[in-house]
Amino acid sequence: RKEVEQDPGPFNVPEGATVAFNCTYSNSASQSFFWYRQDCRKEPKLLMSVYSSGNEDGRFTAQLNRASQYISLLIRDSKLSDSATYLCVVRGYQKVTFGTGTKLQVIP
Amino acid sequence: NAGVMQNPRHLVRRRGQEARLRCSPMKGHSHVYWYRQLPEEGLKFMVYLQKENIIDESGMPKERFSAEFPKEGPSILRIQQVVRGDSAAYFCASSPQPQGGAEAFFGQGTRLTVV
Repeated sequence: RKEVEQDPGPFNVPEGATVAFNCTYSNSASQSFFWYRQDCRKEPKLLMSVYSSGNEDGRFTAQLNRASQYISLLIRDSKLSDSATYLCVVRGYQKVTFGTGTKLQVIP
Repeated sequence: NAGVMQNPRHLVRRRGQEARLRCSPMKGHSHVYWYRQLPEEGLKFMVYLQKENIIDESGMPKERFSAEFPKEGPSILRIQQVVRGDSAAYFCASSPQPQGGAEAFFGQGTRLTVV
């Protein structure tokens, strides 16, 4: 089983739609969690951290389910500028592990 | 505080030559990760290093690829006898020690083209 798994997509959604991505991780001792965003041919950049109680940043909501070992990212009212690849990141005691990403395409 | 610096940004090599990719982590970061990204594909983990130690090289090809992170100086990813299939973007990320929940930061990548 991969340490961090994501559906590669692509997710094609119309502007204004709500879209959700899930990510599962295998190491129950993982300590912290993040979502990164990668635009075409650019480096990944931190989108938001994921806290145990769930957290929101504008149109983005992240949640963590430790019992089932997954994290989620919800994007409301999708914009064209949200089109990117979203990477799930899990940090354990020893290292940071990145998922391979879920591609989102928001369509006009 | 400069971010993660990778150089060169673009590198062209002929088949059979050697490629050396450099990564200077953020100040205070002692952990470095190298990833490869083929066109239209996701990030693929290659190697995780701390100063003077390779912690996890499970993603490194068995031949021609090596990495180091010396006590002084940048981390180096070295590819010997490059082939066309090595053409990709190589990203480096750095982080402080894993404890504490800090995130990792990426460099802008080195785009290697083998001709």
